[in-house]
Amino acid sequence: NAGVTQTPKFRILKIGQSMTLQCTQDMNHNYMYWYRQDPGMGLKLIYYSVGAGITDKGEVPNGYNVSRSTTEDFPLRLELAAPSQTSVYFCASRKGTGELFFGEGSRLTVL
Amino acid sequence: LAKTTQPISMDSYEGQEVNITCSHNNIATNDYITWYQQFPSQGPRFIIQGYKTKVTNEVASLFIPADRKSSTLSLPRVSLSDTAVYYCLVGDWMDSSYKLIFGSGTRLLVRP
Repeated sequence: NAGVTQTPKFRILKIGQSMTLQCTQDMNHNYMYWYRQDPGMGLKLIYYSVGAGITDKGEVPNGYNVSRSTTEDFPLRLELAAPSQTSVYFCASRKGTGELFFGEGSRLTVL
Repeated sequence: LAKTTQPISMDSYEGQEVNITCSHNNIATNDYITWYQQFPSQGPRFIIQGYKTKVTNEVASLFIPADRKSSTLSLPRVSLSDTAVYYCLVGDWMDSSYKLIFGSGTRLLVRP
């Protein structure tokens, strides 16, 4: 059982480049989330989705976009990368009011 | 806002019981309280979840008073491997929608 899978695990971007962080889950969870975590800090919610076709902003959505075309996939798009987006990104999913299942994280550096 | 408040850090010794309290004064009536553990370079991992009174599993207990404005995570007989950051999580109404917003967490250091 794979759970929540994130790719890539590591990535270095140049300022102004764009990329997509992939997240997929095989648990048929309706809710999916993207968080970012800066060194020594807590998790900040970027975007979340309550089901296919439905997404909403979290605490820190600026500079990011998401889509949810299927139940399984919830990609996070970074447009015009900036050094402030250097962080570890975690994708998570859950079913109803249950626990969050997290991926292993994607470590992004913008130089 | 159902913001959570926890101590920034706690110290303990191996074999002791550790209690971490979280304040969530504006918790919604139908909201659950969930605790997570996070090690460096890993995603948070579920520990325990409860709605009211007491919940116990193989690793922890969760105590929730009747007013549900706080909760206490109890870790019995901690070991060095329990050194981690612990987060309590409740839902938060923000911009007219319900979101899962993490607080700052409690950094627990277990000493030999």
